[in-house]
Amino acid sequence: QVQLVESGGDVVQPGWSLRLSCAASGFIFSTYGMHWVRQAPGKGLEWVAVISYDGSNKYVTDSVKGRFTVSRDNSKNTLFLQMNSLRAEDTAVYYCAKDYGFGDFFDSWGQGTLVTVSS
Amino acid sequence: EIVMTQSPATLSVSPGERATLSCRASQSVSNNLAWYQQKPGQGPRLLIYGASTRATGIPARFSGSGSGTQFTLTISSLQSEDFAVYYCQQYNNWPLYTFGQGTKLDIK
Repeated sequence: QVQLVESGGDVVQPGWSLRLSCAASGFIFSTYGMHWVRQAPGKGLEWVAVISYDGSNKYVTDSVKGRFTVSRDNSKNTLFLQMNSLRAEDTAVYYCAKDYGFGDFFDSWGQGTLVTVSS
Repeated sequence: EIVMTQSPATLSVSPGERATLSCRASQSVSNNLAWYQQKPGQGPRLLIYGASTRATGIPARFSGSGSGTQFTLTISSLQSEDFAVYYCQQYNNWPLYTFGQGTKLDIK
């Protein structure tokens, strides 16, 4: 079955960088779009980024544009989120999610990794 | 940006009873609407896509309806494991995916 395992969350200071990873298994990773979605403490879900199956198309939400970059390594079945210039408002649990195809709903989710930005 | 508004914010229902959750879009999303269930400490789980199609393994007591701007998730006979937070999401205006703020389903 599909398994998505996020890692890389940590406590960092404002302005620092962090790279999150999502290890995928149980499906042909290289044929599906993938997403990052975040959830601030006690809040709802916020879509952050999407990348196409081959990495040729990438989009991020406006609030992280210029600071976050999504990428993938299909040879290692791994999705990444590079987060630079972190702010307190980036504090959240970050989930990776598998797209049903590309531009569709999210049919599998990981358990999430917590990023805390605090001085 | 398409704004998704869920109501009510909290719904208290007794086990065995029916629960009806609503989701409204600020503009038409056709039937490109999904519902997710989230329990504490867990990632969300897909319940419904295409407004009314149950995802694999989802019990028949879960049903979705609607199109355009008004959608409903109905749980016909609540089981203890159904008490959770439910989110709707539009994927019509991709990549600008948006979620509703969630409805918490509480035990009455």
